[in-house]
Amino acid sequence: NAGVTQTPKFQVLKTGQSMTLQCAQDMNHNSMYWYRQDPGMGLRLIYYSASEGTTDKGEVPNGYNVSRLNKREFSLRLESAAPSQTSVYFCASMSPGLGLEGQFFGPGTRLTVL
Amino acid sequence: AQSVSQHNHHVILSEAASLELGCNYSYGGTVNLFWYVQYPGQHLQLLLKYFSGDPLVKGIKGFEAEFIKSKFSFNLRKPSVQWSDTAEYFCAVSHSGSARQLTFGSGTQLTVLP
Repeated sequence: NAGVTQTPKFQVLKTGQSMTLQCAQDMNHNSMYWYRQDPGMGLRLIYYSASEGTTDKGEVPNGYNVSRLNKREFSLRLESAAPSQTSVYFCASMSPGLGLEGQFFGPGTRLTVL
Repeated sequence: AQSVSQHNHHVILSEAASLELGCNYSYGGTVNLFWYVQYPGQHLQLLLKYFSGDPLVKGIKGFEAEFIKSKFSFNLRKPSVQWSDTAEYFCAVSHSGSARQLTFGSGTQLTVLP
């Protein structure tokens, strides 16, 4: 099992450029999440998908869109990147039921917007 | 909305010292509590969790945490830290009404000096 994988690991964008962060999990989890991690602010939820075909906004959704392509994959898109979106982005997934094992995290994507 | 407070932003200890990291949450209902650890350059890993039952929870690598409902706290402890415990530690909470969403604290950076 690879667990949760994310691509790319690093990305540098110019203001106004767009990009898509990819996330995939092979644990047959229903729920998937996108977070951003900023110094001193912990992890903040951007969007989540409770199951295939559904997505919902989290705490900081502005400037982002998501697609739950299938059960395995959950992508995050920045349509017009801004310097305020410089951050480390983590994808996570959680098993069905109560999620007794908590959320499983990917290795992260470090994004810099110039 | 629920929130999680980690008052210690940076803790520096010598090897073999005892550790206690504070975590307080604000939510009046039933909660699920987690501690995650992020080693340098790595993704978040689950350290321990509390759902119900014995309020003293034991996790991996000798860590434990105690849930004190009356104080809305879930402090992380370890009797004797090692240099390899150097990492950032995040407390997280989910509540029964939204068990599949986590709210994270801002994190505590622990540095253990050899």
